[in-house]
Amino acid sequence: EVQLVQSGAEVKKPGESLKISCKGSGYSFTSYWIGWVRQMPGKGLEWMGIIYPGDSDTRYSPSFQGQVTISADKSISTAYLQWSSLKASDTAMYYCASEGIGVTPGAGAFDIWGQGTMVTVSS
Amino acid sequence: QSALTQPASVSGSPGQSITISCTGTSSDVGSYNLVSWYQQHPGKAPKLMIYEGSKRPSGVSNRFSGSKSGNTASLTISGLQAEDEADYYCCSYAGSSPYVVFGGGTKLTVL
Repeated sequence: EVQLVQSGAEVKKPGESLKISCKGSGYSFTSYWIGWVRQMPGKGLEWMGIIYPGDSDTRYSPSFQGQVTISADKSISTAYLQWSSLKASDTAMYYCASEGIGVTPGAGAFDIWGQGTMVTVSS
Repeated sequence: QSALTQPASVSGSPGQSITISCTGTSSDVGSYNLVSWYQQHPGKAPKLMIYEGSKRPSGVSNRFSGSKSGNTASLTISGLQAEDEADYYCCSYAGSSPYVVFGGGTKLTVL
């Protein structure tokens, strides 16, 4: 079965660091761009950035450049999203998603989604 | 403020057709035939319904169709069903930085 499985919910304090994960299985993880999408409570979807696990080529939305780091370990088919210093405004659901066969690479057509990781930042 | 503009809500009765618009600019929707549409039910991950303007992924009903005119893309759902009630988001490739932008989302209510 083709799937992305994300790490569990996190509760953190402002200023703490965090790294969440997204493990792919059932397909060639290194061959398709994986992206991260933020959804703040009650709000819409925001494209954060993407990574190509095959060579770790990474692209960020200007809104998230410098705020988060996207990485991948192709040896274990896992992508990551990390923060060095969380803020309360980082409270959101974070989805990883992968592009599939036949779509234009890097253009936002994600057909495989993880279940989401809820990150809560509160003092 | 989202980069792409969608109506906050639309509604229709079972069996009817509805269209959701997604207005961008000549830098995104107008320049590329790379608009995707997502359906999101409450508490669930989004689902890809349309990509590259009008293509349907395997398994998506042919009641869903996409089109584009100028800087505006549209999603049409024909033969509305209760299960179509959800939030719908458009997104478009926008070139190298910001790469991809989303619309603010449209809540579809099936009356």
